[in-house]
Amino acid sequence: DVKVTQSSRYLVKRTGEKVFLECVQDMDHENMFWYRQDPGLGLRLIYFSYDVKMKEKGDIPEGYSVSREKKERFSLILESASTNQTSMYLCASSSAGGHVGEQFFGPGTRLTVL
Amino acid sequence: GQNIDQPTEMTATEGAIVQINCTYQTSGFNGLFWYQQHAGEAPTFLSYNVLDGLEEKGRFSSFLSRSKGYSYLLLKELQMKDSASYLCAITDSNYQLIWGAGTKLIIKP
Repeated sequence: DVKVTQSSRYLVKRTGEKVFLECVQDMDHENMFWYRQDPGLGLRLIYFSYDVKMKEKGDIPEGYSVSREKKERFSLILESASTNQTSMYLCASSSAGGHVGEQFFGPGTRLTVL
Repeated sequence: GQNIDQPTEMTATEGAIVQINCTYQTSGFNGLFWYQQHAGEAPTFLSYNVLDGLEEKGRFSSFLSRSKGYSYLLLKELQMKDSASYLCAITDSNYQLIWGAGTKLIIKP
C-alpha cells in the first residue's frame, strides 16, 4: 500500500515563527503536492513538484516555500507564520505513470498559529 | 474561469440510495475524480471518469456528461460508515486538479 506520512498531526506555533512541515512517501512517486484545506473551501494547491530539486507554484504560494532534495521527501516551509495560515495542511503524491488526479494523501497536519 | 459546484450537505437514511451531484466549468478537461474524506482524515480516491457514461465499482457508481459539465456519485445500500465528505475534482488542460468544496453526507439510522 502507498504510504504518505507527515511529521506532525497537530502543531501550534506563534506569529513570526518559521515552520517546517515534512512529508515522506514510500512508493517512489515522482509527483508530490502540498495543499491547504479550510472549511467551505476546496483543497487549494500551494506548491507541487514533479521531480527532485524541481518545484512549481500552485494557486496560493504566497508566504510559503518548499524543498525537495530527495525523491521521497517534500517539505513545506512557512518563513514567518501568520494567523491566516492556520489551516489543515495535506501532502499528496502520485505516480507519473498513473492518472494524474489519483493522488495519495498523508493524514494531514492541523496547524494553529497564535 | 474554472468552477466546481456541489451541495454543501446532504442527509440520507441507512440502506437507502443517495446521489451527489457535481457541476463544473473549465477551460480544459482531462478527467473527473471523486474522493471520500472522513472527518479528521485524509481524502481517499474513489473513482475516475474521463469518458461519458457510468462507471460502477461495488456500491459506488460515478457518472459523467462532458457536454453538460455534470457528474454524479451514486451510493447504494448506504451504511453508517459512508458518513463522510465527498470531494469532486477535475483535471484541467494543464492536468492540475481543481477541487470542489465537498459535500458532507450524513447517514441516519
